[in-house]
Amino acid sequence: DAKTTQPTSMDCAEGRAANLPCNHSTISGNEYVYWYRQIHSQGPQYIIHGLKNNETNEMASLIITEDRKSSTLILPHATLRDTAVYYCIVRTGNNRKLIWGLGTSLAVNP
Amino acid sequence: NAGVMQNPRHLVRRRGQEARLRCSPMKGHSHVYWYRQLPEEGLKFMVYLQKENIIDESGMPKERFSAEFPKEGPSILRIQQVVRGDSAAYFCASFRGQQETQYFGPGTRLLVL
Repeated sequence: DAKTTQPTSMDCAEGRAANLPCNHSTISGNEYVYWYRQIHSQGPQYIIHGLKNNETNEMASLIITEDRKSSTLILPHATLRDTAVYYCIVRTGNNRKLIWGLGTSLAVNP
Repeated sequence: NAGVMQNPRHLVRRRGQEARLRCSPMKGHSHVYWYRQLPEEGLKFMVYLQKENIIDESGMPKERFSAEFPKEGPSILRIQQVVRGDSAAYFCASFRGQQETQYFGPGTRLLVL
């Protein structure tokens, strides 16, 4: 079973920030939080990952709470092309396999 | 730098036939995962391979499914005597030994008639 819980769906207006929450209350100290997205059944696309500190790259920002029990993915200026299913994943085990939940279906509206 | 390649992108088979799915990892990546995705579901881990070795096949069905990653050439996921329930999207992901991030290919959509 997935170690994360996410809302089933969210809406966001084009040009606004999209904030996608994720709960991972059972995360272990050495486990990373990964975010991927899947656009219309294409291959999953890596977005960002983090351990303790907040992270930012050209696609998004990742905010992890101090107790690491939850995180938020921020798309600063959502576009229509950001419409996708977003998966929050805790990387588990030494062989790095990813356990996927159902993700959040984000709809960016014009 | 080319990404992860998968072929074919679409594959149609009749019940009882064999399906062969190929995955070429990113350059320099020697680790490959295979995942299966049924409609309206998340991805499910199948098998983890390193060059010439199966590291973890705990997600693979015990019968009809096999996977390999030879020293040369792509990784192959083989499904013998396909059934309608095998219809799904199959994704592979690769990563470098010391690097955690998995990068995914575009997937192969298998349809069993």
